[in-house]
Amino acid sequence: EVQLLQSGAEVRKPGATVKISCKVSGYTFTDYNIHWVQQAPGKGLEWMGVVDPEDGEAVYAAKFQGRVTFTADTSTDTAHLELKSLRNEHTAVYYCATASLAAATLDFWGQGTLLTVSS
Amino acid sequence: QSALTQPASVSGSPGQSITISCAGTSSDVGAFDLVSWYQQHPGKAPKLIIYEATKRPSGVSNRFSGSRSGNTASLTISGLQAEDEADYYCSAFAGHRISLFGGGTTVTVL
Repeated sequence: EVQLLQSGAEVRKPGATVKISCKVSGYTFTDYNIHWVQQAPGKGLEWMGVVDPEDGEAVYAAKFQGRVTFTADTSTDTAHLELKSLRNEHTAVYYCATASLAAATLDFWGQGTLLTVSS
Repeated sequence: QSALTQPASVSGSPGQSITISCAGTSSDVGAFDLVSWYQQHPGKAPKLIIYEATKRPSGVSNRFSGSRSGNTASLTISGLQAEDEADYYCSAFAGHRISLFGGGTTVTVL
């Protein structure tokens, strides 16, 4: 059974950095890309980017370029999202998801990680 | 990289059919058949219900169907049920490993 298990809720002050993890199981980690999606409170889904666990190559949506870093640790089958220079508007639920059916088709999702940025 | 355009809300009575549109461009929806639809209930992670514009993953009700014509994709829910009340998002591949989401549509069962 494919599962994506994300790390727990985080609280950070403005200007800080946070790292969210997404541990996968039930399939070979390097077989499928990991996507990251942001959902601000009461708002819609926003695609942040994608990382290929096989070579670590990442592509970022323009909005997040320069502020986020995706990594993939093949020794622990875990993907990470690092978000730096946090602002209040980064308060959101962050989801990881994988695309096993077809490219850009997010068929398995993590449970989401709530990040609260507040002074 | 602009978001895809969806109506903010759609409503229908139980048993009726409703259709949600997803307007993109010739660079995303119109360029590839990699259009997906997701259902999200409050406080839950999104769930894939349509992929490659018209296909249903295993276990998804056949009351959900998808189509694509030109730069617009559509999701139709037939035989509307109370459990279908949720937010629905379309997504499309835009090339160069980039994906886009629509703004989301809230479906209300009257």
